Amino acid sequence: KAGVTQTPRYLIKTRGQQVTLSCSPISGHRSVSWYQQTPGQGLQFLFEYFSETQRNKGNFPGRFSGRQFSNSRSEMNVSTLELGDSALYLCASSRTGNSNQPQHFGDGTRLSIL
Amino acid sequence: GNSVTQMEGPVTLSEEAFLTINCTYTATGYPSLFWYVQYPGEGLQLLLKATKADDKGSNKGFEATYRKETTSFHLEKGSVQVSDSAVYFCALPPEAAGNKLTFGGGTRVLVKP
Repeated sequence: KAGVTQTPRYLIKTRGQQVTLSCSPISGHRSVSWYQQTPGQGLQFLFEYFSETQRNKGNFPGRFSGRQFSNSRSEMNVSTLELGDSALYLCASSRTGNSNQPQHFGDGTRLSIL
Repeated sequence: GNSVTQMEGPVTLSEEAFLTINCTYTATGYPSLFWYVQYPGEGLQLLLKATKADDKGSNKGFEATYRKETTSFHLEKGSVQVSDSAVYFCALPPEAAGNKLTFGGGTRVLVKP
């Protein structure tokens, strides 16, 4: 059974640009969550999508946005990139989004801003 | 809201030593509790979980017991291996519905041969 797939694995951008990251959940999983991981702030929740609807949102500026498609694949977009956006972005999926279910994580996209 | 406090690392051990990573939480009610592990260059993997008070989760020689009296979920392993070198995260789910895990700060463990 294929795991959660995130593309690309690595990305280098410059300030002011925008970027789109992709996440394909495990087959049958309808909930997709995104997290940002940095050495200083640790793991922070960005947002969660379930059945194409954003259900939860973390405390990030509006430059961070996402969407989910009918096949449960999800994308997140960051506009007007800042140096502080350099991080590992992790996607996680679960079957129904029940809060007691464990999430399955991808290996992440490492974004570097120059 | 929910919060998790986890002991800071790094923790450096010799092979076959005993490992304990402390985790305490603040939450409404009795949520499930999770330990995740992140190996170098990888995403997080679920290590073990406990779904109710007094439950003991176990996997790969690791154990953690859900203690509601002390609101703790400490991770232990009796004899660590070099391959256990990783970052360990304690986590709990949100108060409301949805997958919004709250993580502790992570504890880096380095096991030396």
